[in-house]
Amino acid sequence: ILNVEQSPQSLHVQEGDSTNFTCSFPSSNFYALHWYRWETAKSPEALFVMTLNGDEKKKGRISATLNTKEGYSYLYIKGSQPEDSATYLCARNTGNQFYFGTGTSLTVIP
Amino acid sequence: EPEVTQTPSHQVTQMGQEVILRCVPISNHLYFYWYRQILGQKVEFLVSFYNNEISEKSEIFDDQFSVERPDGSNFTLKIRSTKLEDSAMYFCASSGLSSRNEQFFGPGTRLTVL
Repeated sequence: ILNVEQSPQSLHVQEGDSTNFTCSFPSSNFYALHWYRWETAKSPEALFVMTLNGDEKKKGRISATLNTKEGYSYLYIKGSQPEDSATYLCARNTGNQFYFGTGTSLTVIP
Repeated sequence: EPEVTQTPSHQVTQMGQEVILRCVPISNHLYFYWYRQILGQKVEFLVSFYNNEISEKSEIFDDQFSVERPDGSNFTLKIRSTKLEDSAMYFCASSGLSSRNEQFFGPGTRLTVL
């Protein structure tokens, strides 16, 4: 089993603060790293798929970086808003099999 | 906007009964997946399906589980003889041309085994 770890487990930030969290994974046999945003009572929504070492992707105020050699990815949220409150999941896939982290639960306080 | 749909939203069954969970993936997608999340635990991969056959499966996906794409639109997960520990949220997902594409998740089916 290829463990994917996420930290912190939960995070509370004030509206307007920027924040970041980490996904770490075994660096061997890397294929792709997926980030998802998961709001309560909804299904996970894809944010990014990252495949190359050094990848940086951005969607609005959210961005992510990838280091496949050392086995980590960072997700950044700039100027957090209450609607960013959700669980952020990362998953590593090795071909067609996926391994998920436990997620980082973000609460943005107005 | 196209979406993955799942039915039913909640299924309650007795231990030992067979259940079939249904999913309709996005129509032009080629890869299909089933995941489950037991309450309080990680999302776990069960199986991936491509070109009308299983491409990968996890240790969880034993002989009690099977998947089928019976008619070109539905993608089903069957559990032959449910156990209490099968109680979980089951998610279907699909992606386009490869597993490196974004996955689109359905809303899930909550399975409760009594």
